[in-house]
Amino acid sequence: EAGVVQSPRYKIIEKKQPVAFWCNPISGHNTLYWYRQNLGQGPELLIRYENEEAVDDSQLPKDRFSAERLKGVDSTLKIQPAELGDSAVYLCASSLDGLAVASSYNEQFFGPGTRLTVL
Amino acid sequence: KNEVEQSPQNLTAQEGEFITINCSYSVGISALHWLQQHPGGGIVSLFMLSSGKKKHGRLIATINIQEKHSSLHITASHPRDSAVYICAPHTDKLIFGTGTRLQVFP
Repeated sequence: EAGVVQSPRYKIIEKKQPVAFWCNPISGHNTLYWYRQNLGQGPELLIRYENEEAVDDSQLPKDRFSAERLKGVDSTLKIQPAELGDSAVYLCASSLDGLAVASSYNEQFFGPGTRLTVL
Repeated sequence: KNEVEQSPQNLTAQEGEFITINCSYSVGISALHWLQQHPGGGIVSLFMLSSGKKKHGRLIATINIQEKHSSLHITASHPRDSAVYICAPHTDKLIFGTGTRLQVFP
């Protein structure tokens, strides 16, 4: 079974340019997560989707970041315009949640990440 | 104070040694993840546990919910075990520790 797929794996852009990341979760997984991981730190949640609904976007910098999950499957995360401090690894994860509430827990499966470098 | 504390932050070992990584947390949780991250960013889930002990190959994870403490053990360590190991308790979301960087030398 294929795991979580992300593309691109690496992206180098100049500041003020736009960038987009794509994630294809494990087939059948209804919950999708975008994380940002700065060097030497643990991942930080940016946004969580249950199907096509963003149920937790409290940590998403909405002035420049946007995300969508059309049809509740693939998702894209966009940054426009990018800043130097956005350089990080952007991780996508998915899980199969039995209940559509935050208190339920199911194992998350992570993609390989996209390493973004903003020059 | 961080909600998740891992120790040690860095660990070096000779091949074959027994490894222990500790995780303490301060929040109430429903379960806890141990994750492995190799250079390049990919994260692999090793264990998800809410009580007792789990074993998979040379890896053993234990958790004591009352003491809010979990340990990850690696028996007969190998250079391919070199990676960052991350403890991630789950409240209403995963809370990630900063990880323990393990290097195993031949």
